[in-house]
Amino acid sequence: DAGVIQSPRHEVTEMGQEVTLRCKPISGHNSLFWYRQTMMRGLELLIYFNNNVPIDDSGMPEDRFSAKMPNASFSTLKIQPSEPRDSAVYFCASSLISGGSYEQYFGPGTRLTVT
Amino acid sequence: GENVEQHPSTLSVQEGDSAVIKCTYSDSASNYFPWYKQELGKGPQLIIDIRSNVGEKKDQRIAVTLNKTAKHFSLHITETQPEDSAVYFCAAIHSGTYKYIFGTGTRLKVLA
Repeated sequence: DAGVIQSPRHEVTEMGQEVTLRCKPISGHNSLFWYRQTMMRGLELLIYFNNNVPIDDSGMPEDRFSAKMPNASFSTLKIQPSEPRDSAVYFCASSLISGGSYEQYFGPGTRLTVT
Repeated sequence: GENVEQHPSTLSVQEGDSAVIKCTYSDSASNYFPWYKQELGKGPQLIIDIRSNVGEKKDQRIAVTLNKTAKHFSLHITETQPEDSAVYFCAAIHSGTYKYIFGTGTRLKVLA
């Protein structure tokens, strides 16, 4: 399996622009998680989906952030409009949650720089 | 809210020595504790995990111990090698959800 795939790997954009980050989870996994990593705040969970349904979006910083999962093999995280403080590495992780199984597998991340 | 404390934040050891990283969690109902290794420019990689019905788990040079009473768990790396140099994160699953609460990370340097 190719693992979790994220695109783009790097994104540089100007303040005010819309940014869309993409994720393809591991085939067969039923849960998907979006994280943000910064030096100041560490790894923060933004939102997670189970069977394509958003379960908990309490970590989404504000209305400028939105996430969708239209099907089991694709998810997007959108920031509109972007601000310099959104600069971070964004990770997607997927998991097959069943019974007592909770392992999450992370993608390589998207490094976002907003100037 | 629920949190996970991780110590130390940085750790330097000589090649061949052992390294120990410790975490304490606050949610007494947490029942799953993974450890991740993150190399520069990469995503976190799951290296070992432990469930609350087990006190210790080993996988070659790495081991994890869990003390449910004290609500702490530790990662032990023996015979360290330069390729063990990375940032290590502990996590605890938030009871009743599938959310991880991550520790703040430990930067391990193995000196050749």
